[in-house]
Amino acid sequence: AQTVTQSQPEMSVQEAETVTLSCTYDTSESDYYLFWYKQPPSRQMILVIRQEAYKQQNATENRFSVNFQKAAKSFSLKISDSQLGDAAMYFCAYRSASGGSNYKLTFGKGTLLTVNP
Amino acid sequence: NAGVMQNPRHLVRRRGQEARLRCSPMKGHSHVYWYRQLPEEGLKFMVYLQKENIIDESGMPKERFSAEFPKEGPSILRIQQVVRGDSAAYFCASSPNELAGLNEQFFGPGTRLTVL
Repeated sequence: AQTVTQSQPEMSVQEAETVTLSCTYDTSESDYYLFWYKQPPSRQMILVIRQEAYKQQNATENRFSVNFQKAAKSFSLKISDSQLGDAAMYFCAYRSASGGSNYKLTFGKGTLLTVNP
Repeated sequence: NAGVMQNPRHLVRRRGQEARLRCSPMKGHSHVYWYRQLPEEGLKFMVYLQKENIIDESGMPKERFSAEFPKEGPSILRIQQVVRGDSAAYFCASSPNELAGLNEQFFGPGTRLTVL
């Protein structure tokens, strides 16, 4: 079974600075998808960014980018020019690309990001 | 286009009562997924349904929990004889068809169940 580990329960960053959230995962599969979700205090789950494992190029979405290291099974999220609205719980998630359960998302425990003005 | 709707947003039940959580998927979506988020935990998969079919319920507790997605109306997650350990946020997600590639599951705002 796949597992997702987020080793930082909490992180803080100054407004306009850059912060990196860590995520590692364990899998024996070669093809899969990785996601970062944001959960603000409203608890709504919002997709931030996604990555296909077979693509070497790191995904970027405006101020959000990932550092995907397939061999190390690492998928960190970098937030540049942090804004107050970025404050939220961030979850890393894994989804298999093959087999009979390629619809299940496996989530880490989350990292609570605080943005200081 | 309205997003995934869940109601109620907050539900309080006493031990032994029944809890019914509703999820209306996005328009045109026929695949529904339920996840549970215990305090200070990530979301965990419970069940995957298509219209009138349970595809995978491997994440659901064997007793007291059931789910359905009828031909008409919302998907229902039902918890009978609730216990304190059932207190959690329950999220529903939907997709228009079988997930492929980077296709996204769209999440609702969740129902927070509190068992007294």
